[in-house]
Amino acid sequence: KQEVTQIPAALSVPEGENLVLNCSFTDSAIYNLQWFRQDPGKGLTSLLLIQSSQREQTSGRLNASLDKSSGRSTLYIAASQPGDSATYLCAVRHNTDKLIFGTGTRLQVFP
Amino acid sequence: EAGVVQSPRYKIIEKKQPVAFWCNPISGHNTLYWYLQNLGQGPELLIRYENEEAVDDSQLPKDRFSAERLKGVDSTLKIQPAELGDSAVYLCASSREGGNGYTFGSGTRLTVV
Repeated sequence: KQEVTQIPAALSVPEGENLVLNCSFTDSAIYNLQWFRQDPGKGLTSLLLIQSSQREQTSGRLNASLDKSSGRSTLYIAASQPGDSATYLCAVRHNTDKLIFGTGTRLQVFP
Repeated sequence: EAGVVQSPRYKIIEKKQPVAFWCNPISGHNTLYWYLQNLGQGPELLIRYENEEAVDDSQLPKDRFSAERLKGVDSTLKIQPAELGDSAVYLCASSREGGNGYTFGSGTRLTVV
């Protein structure tokens, strides 16, 4: 059974710092991995999607890497801003088309 | 394009009452999902539809939960009767057939008192 773990569970940093959020999964036979952002009381916004054959994806200040063999992904946020404050969720998908989520990292960036 | 639309945004009901949630997916998205998100947890799949067919409902508590997707577009999720433990956020998502990316709605936050 696939299990997805995210570390740390919570993170509070001053703005301007570069951050690394970690995601690990137990079954490496994934189809892809996706990072989402969730603001309080809101739904999920897709940030980056990495196919199983890819090593990384970049969008603006965000960079996500994938090491499928070791069951790990990292989300790198450069030059963090208060507007980045949210919960970040990673989810893996197998060929069953079902997403399995981690419990998230709650990020707070203070001015 | 319009996103995935869910209603209502919030719902408060007494236990043992019925409740229904509605979802309108993105136009052209054949696959529709209902996820349950408990406080402080990641979402978990309840049911997945390919067009009007429920292809994965293994995690749907069928004694009290039901769902339908008539005509393969809009979907409703129903709970009858609701229990205190059903308090959570119910998220709807859609994707193209064979597509990779999901689009989630804003969710319905249910509180059972």
